[in-house]
Amino acid sequence: EAQVTQNPRYLITVTGKKLTVTCSQNMNHEYMSWYRQDPGLGLRQIYYSMNVEVTDKGDVPEGYKVSRKEKRNFPLILESPSPNQTSLYFCASSLSLAGANNEQFFGPGTRLTVL
Amino acid sequence: EDKVVQSPLSLVVHEGDTVTLNCSYEVTNFRSLLWYKQEKKAPTFLFMLTSSGIEKKSGRLSSILDKKELFSILNITATQTGDSAVYLCAVKLYNTDKLIFGTGTRLQVFP
Repeated sequence: EAQVTQNPRYLITVTGKKLTVTCSQNMNHEYMSWYRQDPGLGLRQIYYSMNVEVTDKGDVPEGYKVSRKEKRNFPLILESPSPNQTSLYFCASSLSLAGANNEQFFGPGTRLTVL
Repeated sequence: EDKVVQSPLSLVVHEGDTVTLNCSYEVTNFRSLLWYKQEKKAPTFLFMLTSSGIEKKSGRLSSILDKKELFSILNITATQTGDSAVYLCAVKLYNTDKLIFGTGTRLQVFP
């Protein structure tokens, strides 16, 4: 089944304890992206990747890192999480034909709480 | 600054009603506009619109784009409780895969 998977689905942690949220897609998509969703603010892009070893900042990259060593995986890393990073996180992927009309497929979401 | 604005923020209707959700945008290099439905999980794709005046339809849902006035509407006729969700509008820019999302419209349909 074609899908985007994220792990974990729920995570409660404490300030400063490094964590990684994994994202994997099995559709051979070039483009992958991380969003956070907060009430009243909608989905905001954190980082995106156009292909392996190609990553770039989105609209709210502060406090996050990503890597794209393989095409299928795009982990989101919080080196020192803070309470303002409590949010619902979505990973998404699409075929990357810049300018073409490819929809983005979303993962199931990771609800992160930082105490 | 590129932005996408949706209205209303929230809507409560009875089953059988027809609703219209609005999405306006101000972006550089507009390529297409997408509608997603988000229930208690990941957004799921509904429509992609690139040309003005051509209605996209799927069952009771339909959508149209006006590139001159920079907006789109999503219509849902004969609403059902299963239509309750947040509806997200996003604009895709030319030469990039970046999507700019609106804040969404929360629709609640009561029996």
